[in-house]
Amino acid sequence: DAGVIQSPRHEVTEMGQEVTLRCKPISGHNSLFWYRQTMMRGLELLIYFNNNVPIDDSGMPEDRFSAKMPNASFSTLKIQPSEPRDSAVYFCASSFGQGSYEQYFGPGTRLTVT
Amino acid sequence: AQSVTQLDSHVSVSEGTPVLLRCNYSSSYSPSLFWYVQHPNKGLQLLLKYTSAATLVKGINGFEAEFKKSETSFHLTKPSAHMSDAAEYFCVSAGQAGTALIFGKGTTLSVSS
Repeated sequence: DAGVIQSPRHEVTEMGQEVTLRCKPISGHNSLFWYRQTMMRGLELLIYFNNNVPIDDSGMPEDRFSAKMPNASFSTLKIQPSEPRDSAVYFCASSFGQGSYEQYFGPGTRLTVT
Repeated sequence: AQSVTQLDSHVSVSEGTPVLLRCNYSSSYSPSLFWYVQHPNKGLQLLLKYTSAATLVKGINGFEAEFKKSETSFHLTKPSAHMSDAAEYFCVSAGQAGTALIFGKGTTLSVSS
């Protein structure tokens, strides 16, 4: 299995631009999670989906952030407009079953907003 | 409310000496507990998990952890550290089905030769 796939691996953009991060979960997994990791705040859950339906988006920082999961094999996290404080590593993870089961993480997307 | 506390932000050991990374949890019910490892510029990898079976859990790369309900602890140990063990380690709690994982703030393990 290829594991969780994220793209791009690195993204550098200017403040105000739209950023779209992509994730392909492990085939057969029915839960997908988006996390953000920074030195200051550690690892934070942004949102998670079960069977393509958003279950908990309380971690989404503000309306500039949105996430979609149009099908079982693809999800996007969009930031519009981006700000320097959004600079972080964004991880996608998937699991079989809902949140209480072990999750498999992708390699992350390192986002830098200048 | 459910929470996880990693008692040390940084642990330094010499190669070949034992490793102890401490984790306490708080939960109103018996949680599932995990340890994840993150090597530099990599994603998180599951080391081991406890799900109310045996209290001593063995994981990959020689790591193990013991669930102690009386102490609400789930400390991670390894008898002999290797240079490749240098990484960030996260203690994680999961509660009832349908709820998200709760991550500790992480412990950075440094291994010197």
